[in-house]
Amino acid sequence: QKEVEQNSGPLSVPEGAIASLNCTYSDRVSQSFFWYRQYSGKSPELIMSIYSNGDKEDGRFTAQLNKASQYVSLLIRDSQPSDSATYLCAVSTDKLIFGTGTRLQVFP
Amino acid sequence: GAVVSQHPSWVICKSGTSVKIECRSLDFQATTMFWYRQFPKQSLMLMATSNEGSKATYEQGVEKDKFLINHASLTLSTLTVTSAHPEDSSFYICSARDGVSTDTQYFGPGTRLTVL
Repeated sequence: QKEVEQNSGPLSVPEGAIASLNCTYSDRVSQSFFWYRQYSGKSPELIMSIYSNGDKEDGRFTAQLNKASQYVSLLIRDSQPSDSATYLCAVSTDKLIFGTGTRLQVFP
Repeated sequence: GAVVSQHPSWVICKSGTSVKIECRSLDFQATTMFWYRQFPKQSLMLMATSNEGSKATYEQGVEKDKFLINHASLTLSTLTVTSAHPEDSSFYICSARDGVSTDTQYFGPGTRLTVL
């Protein structure tokens, strides 16, 4: 079983819609959770971090964490074509473990 | 804030030569830096963790004699790929963590290495 699992996609959504990205993890002692965005040929860029159960909102982005279900998600409201990228979920104990990423395509 | 730079951004070298990549934290002191490698269409794979002033900790399967890591100051870490071969061609990315406020890692822009 992979430590951090994501659906590889692509997830295609129309411009203006809500994109929902999901991630599950296997290590129950994980304390910190991150979402990174990676454009093709570029390095990852931090979007959100979340540490406690519930929702955390930052602009158009909302991260949701459920430690009991070992599940973390990222919602992107009012999706824009510029949001098209690969979104990496990362879980931290003493080091970051990345999922393989979900490719998001936002079409006009 | 939290800016990490890498140099060079890309490098092409001949097989058998060595290549040094620099990673710098520009506006914070990085107690810990990480080196990742990413092959096309794959996720980031951690190669090693380095703490300032001590030896790097390498992940299983990563040759420490081939990938030399030095973290001599709180703002600079270097990765040297020794005797590079075509299979070492990859996207090398460093990240830095200040270790004081959070465990968030900030990534450099990456270095694309092509070994001919």
